[in-house]
Amino acid sequence: NAGVTQTPKFRVLKTGQSMTLLCAQDMNHEYMYWYRQDPGMGLRLIHYSVGEGTTAKGEVPDGYNVSRLKKQNFLLGLESAAPSQTSVYFCASSYDPKRGGNDEQFFGPGTRLTVL
Amino acid sequence: QQQVKQSPQSLIVQKGGISIINCAYENTAFDYFPWYQQFPGKGPALLIAIRPDVSEKKEGRFTISFNKSAKQFSLHIMDSQPGDSATYFCAASILGNTPLVFGKGTRLSVIA
Repeated sequence: NAGVTQTPKFRVLKTGQSMTLLCAQDMNHEYMYWYRQDPGMGLRLIHYSVGEGTTAKGEVPDGYNVSRLKKQNFLLGLESAAPSQTSVYFCASSYDPKRGGNDEQFFGPGTRLTVL
Repeated sequence: QQQVKQSPQSLIVQKGGISIINCAYENTAFDYFPWYQQFPGKGPALLIAIRPDVSEKKEGRFTISFNKSAKQFSLHIMDSQPGDSATYFCAASILGNTPLVFGKGTRLSVIA
């Protein structure tokens, strides 16, 4: 099993450009998440999904959109990139915590995004 | 408003020593408290987690201590090794109802 994979690994954008980050998981997890990690700020939740076709806002959703058209994929979009969105983006997935009795999230390797 | 406060930001420990990282939370409804470990260039991975019905959980050299009345929990790494050098995140949630809220992380360096 590949676990959680993220595409691309690195990307440099100019201010105002758009892009989509792709996350894929092969563990049949119901829940998927997008985080950003900035120095000294920890992991902050952008958006998450509790199932195919559903999405919800996290702590820092502004400037981002997401879609979960298939259970195994979770896309993060930046419509008009800004330098403040320079960050490392992590995708994660988990089973439904209510069923499993825990909330172990499995993280991908990250995407390093620089916005100039 | 920071829901989970983690300290220290960075920690240097001698090989064989005990590493202690602390977290405090605000929301008394939180009932799931995991610790994640992240190596450079990698995504975080679950290390150990505790529910509030117990005051301590041990897995190998890693122990979580939980103090419900003080709204605090801590990670203890016994016999710290250079391979434990990583960034550690505490987190909290209302299991099954809210997503995890992470602390800001502690960068641990274990020196020989």
